[in-house]
Amino acid sequence: QVQLVQSESELKKPGASVKLSCTGSGYSFNSYPINWVRQAPGQGLEWMGWINTHTGNPTYAQGFTGRFVMSLDTSASTSYLQISSLEAEDTAVYYCAREIRSYNYMNLWGRGTTVTVSS
Amino acid sequence: AIQLTQSPSSLSASVGDSVTITCRSSQAVSSVLSWYQQKPGKPPKLLIYGASNLETGVPPRFRGSVSGTDFTLTISSLHPEDFATYYCQQFDNKFHTFGQGTKLEIK
Repeated sequence: QVQLVQSESELKKPGASVKLSCTGSGYSFNSYPINWVRQAPGQGLEWMGWINTHTGNPTYAQGFTGRFVMSLDTSASTSYLQISSLEAEDTAVYYCAREIRSYNYMNLWGRGTTVTVSS
Repeated sequence: AIQLTQSPSSLSASVGDSVTITCRSSQAVSSVLSWYQQKPGKPPKLLIYGASNLETGVPPRFRGSVSGTDFTLTISSLHPEDFATYYCQQFDNKFHTFGQGTKLEIK
C-alpha cells in the first residue's frame, strides 16, 4: 500500500526539541521529494520546506531556518523534521507530503503529527 | 516569493449549487498550480494539478481553469461531502506557497 506513515503526537515543554518522522512505503522513496507543511490550530497550511530524497539536500521556506532541520534515512525510507528550542507558537499539526515534480503537486500525504508545546 | 490570494475566504452555499473559488498569483510564473480539499482533522487531498488536470478518482464536478494570473476552482452541483476548506498551492524556483484557504459552508 502506497502511504506515508508519520510518528505519534508529542507533548513538549518550551525550549525542548522534537524529532518527527515520516516513513514512505509502497513506492520508490528516493524518487520523490518530501515536503513538510505546518498547520497551526484553526489556521491554514504553511509550507515549511522540502528535502530531496535522492541527494538529501533540504530547502527551507522563509521563517523555517535555524530551528528546523530536515533529514533523511534512505535505508529506512524515512524523512525527519527536527525542531529545536520549541515555542508555544510551534503547537501545530505537521504533515509530510510526497511531491510529483512534473507539476510540483503533493499527491500523497501523511496523517499528520500533532506537536503541543506547553509548560 | 510568490503571493497567492484566495477569494473568498469563506462562502455559504446549498447542496446542488455551483461555486467558484479564485486564487490570484502575484507572478505570472507558470500554470503549476494545484487545488486541495481539507476536512477537519484530515490531511489535505489533491483535487487538481497543473491548473486544470483532475487527479485520479476526483469527481468531474471539480474543474480548474486559468486566465493569466487568475486560477479558479469551480465545483458544480455541490454534494454534501464537498463542504470543506479549499487551498491553492503554487511552486516557483524551489519554493511552494499555499493560499490562505476558502471555507465552504452549508447555507
